[in-house]
Order: sequence, then C-alpha cells, then structure tokens
Amino acid sequence: GQNIDQPTEMTATEGAIVQINCTYQTSGFNGLFWYQQHAGEAPTFLSYNVLDGLEEKGRFSSFLSRSKGYSYLLLKELQMKDSASYLCASRDSNYQLIWGAGTKLIIKP
Amino acid sequence: ETGVTQTPRHLVMGMTNKKSLKCEQHLGHNAMYWYKQSAKKPLELMFVYNFKEQTENNSVPSRFSPECPNSSHLFLHLHTLQPEDSALYLCASSPEGDTGELFFGEGSRLTVL
Repeated sequence: GQNIDQPTEMTATEGAIVQINCTYQTSGFNGLFWYQQHAGEAPTFLSYNVLDGLEEKGRFSSFLSRSKGYSYLLLKELQMKDSASYLCASRDSNYQLIWGAGTKLIIKP
Repeated sequence: ETGVTQTPRHLVMGMTNKKSLKCEQHLGHNAMYWYKQSAKKPLELMFVYNFKEQTENNSVPSRFSPECPNSSHLFLHLHTLQPEDSALYLCASSPEGDTGELFFGEGSRLTVL
C-alpha cells in the first residue's frame, strides 16, 4: 500500500532550527511536496523535490533521498508565524498526490 | 488570498438536508479538485476535474455529487449526509491535472448533526 509517515507534533523555540521528517512508500515516484497550513487557513505550497539533494528557499530548505524514501523540511531562524501544520505529499506513478497527516509545529518564545 | 474562494466557510446541516458547497478560482487554471480534511488524517482526494471533465472519483459515496459548469467554478452537492461526513472540505486548482502544485481555498467547515 501507499503510505506517508511524518511526526504528529513538534515543538521548537523561536530563533532555533527545526527539521520535520517524512518517509514515503508510493507506487512509483514523481516528486515530493511540502505544504504549510496555518490554523483555519488554506494549505500553501512550500517546496518540490524530484531529484536527490537539498533545495533551499530562504529560511526553508527541503531535502530528498529517493533511495531511502525520505525527505525533510528544514526551517531556520524560526519565527512565531512559522507555527502551522506542515504537510508532506508524494506524487505516485499515476501523478496522484499521496498525503501525510501533517506535522503540527508549535513555536515557543 | 490564494485566488481560490470557497463559500460558505461554515455549514451546519441535518442528515436529511440538501446543501451545496461552491468554489471559484480566479487563476485561469484548468484543473479543479475537491478534498476532504479530517482532524489528524491525510487529505483525501474526492474528485478531480480537468478541462471541465471529471477524471477522478475516488470511491466517494453518492451522497456527494460534484458539478463543474466551467473551468472556474466547482460545486459539491450534499444530500442525506452522515455525521462522519463532518470535516473541512477543501477546493483546489492547478494549471494542469498532473501537477503537484495546488492552490487551495480556505475550505468549508461542514458539521452534520
């Protein structure tokens, strides 16, 4: 079966760094996506990885290892506004997105 | 503002009611989606429309009926729902049907009594 695993909840301190991990098992692979969803708001696209390695976009970076079925989202210089849920999704051979249940990130002062 | 607008934002209905959720996108996209989001569960894809044609129907009960009159509008008609259908219903759009970069609306929070 197809499956995405990510931690349910994480807590970090303002100004620090946090890494949110995601492991995936899908039928084929056509990319790994990260979305951010603030409470009561729409999910918004953060990043896309299809090749191994690190993609950096400002304070946020996303890493992919296809051989390990593993990705992480790295958030640096955490700000209170980064408190949100982070959704990992893998696109399978049929170009369907398979979603994780999301990681709720709590930032403390 | 994501360019995708959903109404109503909140809806409470009885099990015998009939209601509709509306989604409108102002992005010029050709694909539109309905997702169900329940607490602590992955997003569930319900329906996909690509160029107004339904291309996916992921075994959704017939009490949910989609309608896509044009590439900018999408409806989800609801009738004789069950309490377990209470959830956040998200609409999304994308330039094409096979992209992973989706543009979501803020959702319609549905409560079935």
